Amino acid sequence: DQQVKQNSPSLSVQEGRISILNCDYTNSMFDYFLWYKKYPAEGPTFLISISSIKDKNEDGRFTVFLNKSAKHLSLHIVPSQPGDSAVYFCAASALTGGSEKLVFGKGMKLTVNP
Amino acid sequence: DTGVSQDPRHKITKRGQNVTFRCDPISEHNRLYWYRQTLGQGPEFLTYFQNEAQLEKSRLLSDRFSAERPKGSFSTLEIQRTEQGDSAMYLCASSSQNWEETQYFGPGTRLLVL
Repeated sequence: DQQVKQNSPSLSVQEGRISILNCDYTNSMFDYFLWYKKYPAEGPTFLISISSIKDKNEDGRFTVFLNKSAKHLSLHIVPSQPGDSAVYFCAASALTGGSEKLVFGKGMKLTVNP
Repeated sequence: DTGVSQDPRHKITKRGQNVTFRCDPISEHNRLYWYRQTLGQGPEFLTYFQNEAQLEKSRLLSDRFSAERPKGSFSTLEIQRTEQGDSAMYLCASSSQNWEETQYFGPGTRLLVL
């Protein structure tokens, strides 16, 4: 079963506007969440992370929000730039449970139009 | 240090042949991970090492797969008697031992089994 879900396969936004990427998870043991960006023929590149003790983490244009009760997190990119066009993966791990592995969603393709 | 490196970047082989991939982690990282990514999916965890010890293995890692990290530095992933279903991108990541330390990915090895 898919423990990390990215239900929208794609998103298209205009340059300068906000991009909101969503992610849901089912495993209540997950306590650490990450977003990665991936270009074709490259490995995933780390963007931003958040621990379950927080509900928001911000780094420049990227902000991640965590709603533990809803088992939902989102990545906000503002302002969006054409170079942000890529596939974005949400990932989670259960560090407190002693598991180092990342569980990934299927990804969402973001297209930022000039 | 330029990050995680993987070799080869591409491999085409015939069904039934053995293949071996190499991963060199970021030099100060003592944790090393292998993931597999197929088309339309997120990366899936295969196994991970802390130094030379293999601490966790996925059920995806059948007996045809073996991973080693003999001196706690580089790692190899071998697939014996390859099958067409083994065609995928094989990703390596590394991290340090600190709590919530990010996993940084290499560029991957794309395997095609004919």
